[in-house]
Amino acid sequence: DTGVSQNPRHKITKRGQNVTFRCDPISEHNRLYWYRQTLGQGPEFLTYFQNEAQLEKSRLLSDRFSAERPKGSFSTLEIQRTEQGDSAMYLCASSLGTDRKHNSPLHFGNGTRLTVT
Amino acid sequence: GDSVTQMEGPVTLSEEAFLTINCTYTATGYPSLFWYVQYPGEGLQLLLKATKADDKGSNKGFEATYRKETTSFHLEKGSVQVSDSAVYFCALGGNQFYFGTGTSLTVIP
Repeated sequence: DTGVSQNPRHKITKRGQNVTFRCDPISEHNRLYWYRQTLGQGPEFLTYFQNEAQLEKSRLLSDRFSAERPKGSFSTLEIQRTEQGDSAMYLCASSLGTDRKHNSPLHFGNGTRLTVT
Repeated sequence: GDSVTQMEGPVTLSEEAFLTINCTYTATGYPSLFWYVQYPGEGLQLLLKATKADDKGSNKGFEATYRKETTSFHLEKGSVQVSDSAVYFCALGGNQFYFGTGTSLTVIP
């Protein structure tokens, strides 16, 4: 168990540029989640995958955001035409989901900190 | 909709003091409840969990009991240490895992 890995750790970009983050979950975990966290707040749900299928997406998520999980392994989160309000910590988490009630705890990576200037 | 309301901080305690961080929830059905901890410069780590009413989760001296009648999951520790200084998040399980806003705890020697 090498843990959830996220790259890069930090990303500084100019407004209007596109950015892509990568998440490598714990290898046997079938569920993968993306969250966003701003200073002084808890993680805010963005989207989640079960294997390669994206099953849920936050209604608050702008269409500039897209996530993929090809082959049900690693995932990427892309933000197009970044805005200053996108500056945040982007967290990835995975779990071994075996039940429909989602009782399995999430295992988080250390996050990617995005700064949009 | 589902949500979690968590006691606001920051909280500052002396070493060996008793800790309570309040957490209440609103949920349809009976989801699992979790406490996560985030130490300075690190990612969120699972501290403890409870999957059904009256379950008590415990770890590292911390405890929390799933109270359906009061829709609460308060975190307690009898004697805090300096190393417990961190931000604590209450979370509601489900498709989305709803998190509270976090409570910052500082323990002073």
